[in-house]
Amino acid sequence: AQRVTQPEKLLSVFKGAPVELKCNYSYSGSPELFWYVQYSRQRLQLLLRHISRESIKGFTADLNKGETSFHLKKPFAQEEDSAMYYCALKENSGYSTLTFGKGTMLLVSP
Amino acid sequence: EPEVTQTPSHQVTQMGQEVILRCVPISNHLYFYWYRQILGQKVEFLVSFYNNEISEKSEIFDDQFSVERPDGSNFTLKIRSTKLEDSAMYFCASSAGVNEKLFFGSGTQLSVL
Repeated sequence: AQRVTQPEKLLSVFKGAPVELKCNYSYSGSPELFWYVQYSRQRLQLLLRHISRESIKGFTADLNKGETSFHLKKPFAQEEDSAMYYCALKENSGYSTLTFGKGTMLLVSP
Repeated sequence: EPEVTQTPSHQVTQMGQEVILRCVPISNHLYFYWYRQILGQKVEFLVSFYNNEISEKSEIFDDQFSVERPDGSNFTLKIRSTKLEDSAMYFCASSAGVNEKLFFGSGTQLSVL
């Protein structure tokens, strides 16, 4: 069965500091990986997906199949980045079911 | 941007009662989902629905649960005989296609007393 692990419950940084939110997965096939974000009192929304290879709000994530990781990075954190971040995996099987990690709360202090 | 809407935002019920959680997916979407998140735990998949039938369900989605699309706009999750451990935030989501982006609702917080 697939699994997504986010080892940190909370990551606290100062504004302007680099950020890396860790995500590791276990899946025997070739998965699709996502990062979802939930800002305070807002709904869960897609931040980025690995197949898009894009940067959203300064965030990037590279799928490393050797290390089975999909860490989320941003070189200079902003206060408005404070939110709950969830890594999620989708099987490449035709279904769109997502398996989520437990999430990491990112707090960016001024 | 169009949104998935969920009602109510909070639902309190007594153990053993039935509850119906309601969702209005985005109008041109074809795939509908329910996820739930117990406090402090991960978001968990419950069920997906396409073409008026369940396409996939998790182990959590047992006989206590059912889903329905009673008309062209609503998508409901019914929980029969609620248990304390059903207390969670329930999220509805929809997508235009199986490989398309999921749009989530803001959730219904269910509290079973």
